Amino acid sequence: QVQLVESGGGVVQPGRSLRLSCAASGFTFSDYGMHWVRQAPDMGLEWMALVSYDGSNKYYADSVKGRFTISRDNSKNTLYLQMNSLRTEDTAVYYCARDRHSSGWSRLDYWGQGILVTVSS
Amino acid sequence: DIQMTQSPSSLSASVGDRVTITCQASQDISNYLTWYQQKPGKAPKLLIYDASNLQAGVPSRFSGSGSGTKFTFTISSLQREDIATYYCQHHDNLPITFGQGTRLEIK
Repeated sequence: QVQLVESGGGVVQPGRSLRLSCAASGFTFSDYGMHWVRQAPDMGLEWMALVSYDGSNKYYADSVKGRFTISRDNSKNTLYLQMNSLRTEDTAVYYCARDRHSSGWSRLDYWGQGILVTVSS
Repeated sequence: DIQMTQSPSSLSASVGDRVTITCQASQDISNYLTWYQQKPGKAPKLLIYDASNLQAGVPSRFSGSGSGTKFTFTISSLQREDIATYYCQHHDNLPITFGQGTRLEIK
């Protein structure tokens, strides 16, 4: 069965960096685009970033463009989110999610359980 | 960016009731609309895709309709396990955006 497991979250000071990982299993990882979506405490869902199946195309929300970098290692079945210059407003649960398609964008058909990132001094 | 507006923001209904949530897009998104269910402390779960298609394994009491800018999500007979927050999401272009959510409670 499809499994997505995030790791790397925690408490970090404003201005510092953090890298999230998402380990995928149960499907051919290299066949699918992958997203990061976040949810601030008691708030709704906010799309962050998308990477195509082969890593050649990357897209970002304006709120994180230039600060966050999405990447993937298909040999390790792992998705990453490098988060730099973190702000208190980046505090959220971060989800990785699979896109139904390999390139372009569509529905998010499987989600990880989420990982909490807290940005606080 | 396309804005997705859900109504109502919260809803209280009884077991067995028919429940309807609407989602309006700020511009035409064809049928590029997905509905998710999120239970407290859990990840979202895909229920309906392309506005009206039921995801495999999802109970048939869930349904969706609409196209263009106006969409509807319906639970035909509310069950206790349906207590959750429901989100619509478009994928017509980037950025993908979600509605603000509809919190469903049991009366």
